[in-house]
Amino acid sequence: KQEVTQIPAALSVPEGENLVLNCSFTDSAIYNLQWFRQDPGKGLTSLLLIQSSQREQTSGRLNASLDKSSGRSTLYIAASQPGDSATYLCAVSSGYALNFGKGTSLLVTP
Amino acid sequence: AAGVIQSPRHLIKEKRETATLKCYPIPRHDTVYWYQQGPGQDPQFLISFYEKMQSDKGSIPDRFSAQQFSDYHSELNMSSLELGDSALYFCASSFRGDREDEQYFGPGTRLTVT
Repeated sequence: KQEVTQIPAALSVPEGENLVLNCSFTDSAIYNLQWFRQDPGKGLTSLLLIQSSQREQTSGRLNASLDKSSGRSTLYIAASQPGDSATYLCAVSSGYALNFGKGTSLLVTP
Repeated sequence: AAGVIQSPRHLIKEKRETATLKCYPIPRHDTVYWYQQGPGQDPQFLISFYEKMQSDKGSIPDRFSAQQFSDYHSELNMSSLELGDSALYFCASSFRGDREDEQYFGPGTRLTVT
């Protein structure tokens, strides 16, 4: 069974800092990997999707990388803002269903 | 652009009652997925349908059943509700013909069992 781990579980940074969220998975035979944002009690907003054949994807201040062989992905957030405060979830597809990590809770302080 | 629609958005039921959650996928999407997210937990995959046939099965209790209809909408039926069924239920849809097969999530149905 695919196990997805996210480190750290929680992170607090001052506004303007660049930060990295980590995701690791146990089975490298993945189809794709998605990063989501979730505000408290709200739905899942897809941020980036990386196909298994890709190394990275970028969207605005976000950059996600994928190293399938080592079972790792990182989400890089540049110039963080208080509005970035949320829980960030990594999800891996090994077939069709997504396996989620437990998320990193991010707080960006003004 | 059209998104995944879920109804109702909120539902309150008592123990041992039944509940039906509905999901309307993005037009032309052929696959629907259901996920359950308990308080403070990550979403857990329940079940999926492709072209109206069950595709994959996850940790769905025997008390739950689901189906996908001819118009591709899906319903999750939950019987003999328990307090532990209180959760956020997400539906997602995708089109397997797309190379990326990205899953798009609905806003969720918050089920509270009292």
